[in-house]
Amino acid sequence: KQEVTQIPAALSVPEGENLVLNCSFTDSAIYNLQWFRQDPGKGLTSLLLIQSSQREQTSGRLNASLDKSSGRSTLYIAASQPGDSATYLCAVNRGAQKLVFGQGTRLTINP
Amino acid sequence: DGGITQSPKYLFRKEGQNVTLSCEQNLNHDAMYWYRQDPGQGLRLIYYSQIVNDFQKGDIAEGYSVSREKKESFPLTVTSAQKNPTAFYLCACSMQGGNQPQHFGDGTRLSIL
Repeated sequence: KQEVTQIPAALSVPEGENLVLNCSFTDSAIYNLQWFRQDPGKGLTSLLLIQSSQREQTSGRLNASLDKSSGRSTLYIAASQPGDSATYLCAVNRGAQKLVFGQGTRLTINP
Repeated sequence: DGGITQSPKYLFRKEGQNVTLSCEQNLNHDAMYWYRQDPGQGLRLIYYSQIVNDFQKGDIAEGYSVSREKKESFPLTVTSAQKNPTAFYLCACSMQGGNQPQHFGDGTRLSIL
């Protein structure tokens, strides 16, 4: 059974810092991995999708990496801003678009 | 604007009552999904549909029912058999194909009176 874990559960950093969020999964047989952002009381916004054959994807200040063999993905946020404060969720696609989600990391960027 | 819309934003259920959550999309996506989110937890899949008139159970389908009569609509009914329905419900859709991202609505928060 695929399990997805995100550590830490919460993270608080000063504005301007670069930071890394971690995601680990137990079964390396995945189709892709997706990172989402969730603001309080809102739905999820897709940030990046990494296909199983890819090692990383970049969008603006965000860079996501994937290491299937070790069951790990990281989301790197450069030059953090207060507007980046949100909960970040990773999800692995185990096939037929069935996503398994981690519990999320609640990120706070302090001005 | 293309998107996915959930209504209502807040919903209250009395004991023994069935309630239906609406999900509508105008992205012309074939696949639609329902998830449940409990505080401090990730999302769990309730039901999904890859094509009109067809749907499959997810990991926590007991106490829920769905229909997919139209491509743009995928309503979720929370039945009285669901003993712990209080949660945040999220609907999503995606194009067909294994590497398509899922797009989410803004959710419905269901509470018990």
